[in-house]
Amino acid sequence: AQTVTQSQPEMSVQEAETVTLSCTYDTSENNYYLFWYKQPPSRQMILVIRQEAYKQQNATENRFSVNFQKAAKSFSLKISDSQLGDTAMYFCAFMKHAQGGSEKLVFGKGTKLTVNP
Amino acid sequence: DAGITQSPRHKVTETGTPVTLRCHQTENHRYMYWYRQDPGHGLRLIHYSYGVKDTDKGEVSDGYSVSRSKTEDFLLTLESATSSQTSVYFCAISEVLMPNTQYFGPGTRLTVL
Repeated sequence: AQTVTQSQPEMSVQEAETVTLSCTYDTSENNYYLFWYKQPPSRQMILVIRQEAYKQQNATENRFSVNFQKAAKSFSLKISDSQLGDTAMYFCAFMKHAQGGSEKLVFGKGTKLTVNP
Repeated sequence: DAGITQSPRHKVTETGTPVTLRCHQTENHRYMYWYRQDPGHGLRLIHYSYGVKDTDKGEVSDGYSVSRSKTEDFLLTLESATSSQTSVYFCAISEVLMPNTQYFGPGTRLTVL
């Protein structure tokens, strides 16, 4: 079974600075996907970024980028130029590849990020 | 916006009563999912559906049933609610062109007294 570990229950950062959230996972699969979801106080789960395991290039979405280290089974999220609106819970999630279908997401327990003015 | 709505958004009920939560989507997605979110556990899959009348169990399915009689609606039923089912429930869909990515509805907060 796959597991996802987020070792930082809480983090804080000053506005405009950069912060990195850690995520490690355990799997015997070779083909899979990794995700970061953001959950602000509104409770909505928002997809931040997605990475396919077969791609060596790290995914980026505007101020959000990942450092994907497949051999180390590590998938960290870097937020640049942090904004107050980035304050949220961040969840790392794993999904194994399913040919022509879909699989369940396996979530970590989350990191609560606070951006301070 | 993946066009997902959940109803009700909040519900308080008593132990032993039946409860049905509804997930509605407007974009003809094939795959739909129900997750629950509890402190210290992240989100965990309850049931999922891969088409009309096609459903399967997730990792925490005990005490829950689901039905999908039409593409746009996926219902989650607690036949006899218990306090351990107090949680936030999320519906999710995955899109045909990107089946390995899931998008979530706004969630339903359920309290069982």
